[in-house]
Amino acid sequence: LAKTTQPISMDSYEGQEVNITCSHNNIATNDYITWYQQFPSQGPRFIIQGYKTKVTNEVASLFIPADRKSSTLSLPRVSLSDTAVYYCLVFYKYIFGTGTRLKVLA
Amino acid sequence: DGGITQSPKYLFRKEGQNVTLSCEQNLNHDAMYWYRQDPGQGLRLIYYSQIVNDFQKGDIAEGYSVSREKKESFPLTVTSAQKNPTAFYLCASSIPGTSGRKAGELFFGEGSRLTVL
Repeated sequence: LAKTTQPISMDSYEGQEVNITCSHNNIATNDYITWYQQFPSQGPRFIIQGYKTKVTNEVASLFIPADRKSSTLSLPRVSLSDTAVYYCLVFYKYIFGTGTRLKVLA
Repeated sequence: DGGITQSPKYLFRKEGQNVTLSCEQNLNHDAMYWYRQDPGQGLRLIYYSQIVNDFQKGDIAEGYSVSREKKESFPLTVTSAQKNPTAFYLCASSIPGTSGRKAGELFFGEGSRLTVL
């Protein structure tokens, strides 16, 4: 089975930058890396996707090193509403990571 | 508005019964997926389908069955062979992976919560 691992939980304060890592050692050449946010009792929501180097959109950045065996989701200046569980997904394997529970404190 | 509709939102099942969860999408997506989520846990892949009349088992397919007779629909049947079916079930869809940009963006429904009495 493909194994995609993340830290179980993280705490941060409002206004700080948060970096969440994902390890995906068995990523294949054609795999994309995507990240999702999930609130309780809701379906996950797409945040960002990338293949290599750095990708940035209006809500997050995604850093992928040259070997692509890991990735880092960066959330700038988090707010209380960013408290959620964050998952990485290696596409084409359709396997989600273990999830990181982010708690933002006032 | 385009989206994915799952029904029912809540479902109760007696032991030994089969139940079917509905998933319909009007996004014109070729690929559809079913995931299971247990309380406090991550998402596990049950089945996925890349095209009509074709589907593949995921990591936890035992005790489940699917069909893909129409592009818009991907129902999941939880059979009596699934010994611990109480969970939150999520359906998703996506464009074909060969599309490059936006490949990997799964669109999820609101989920169906199944409880075994």
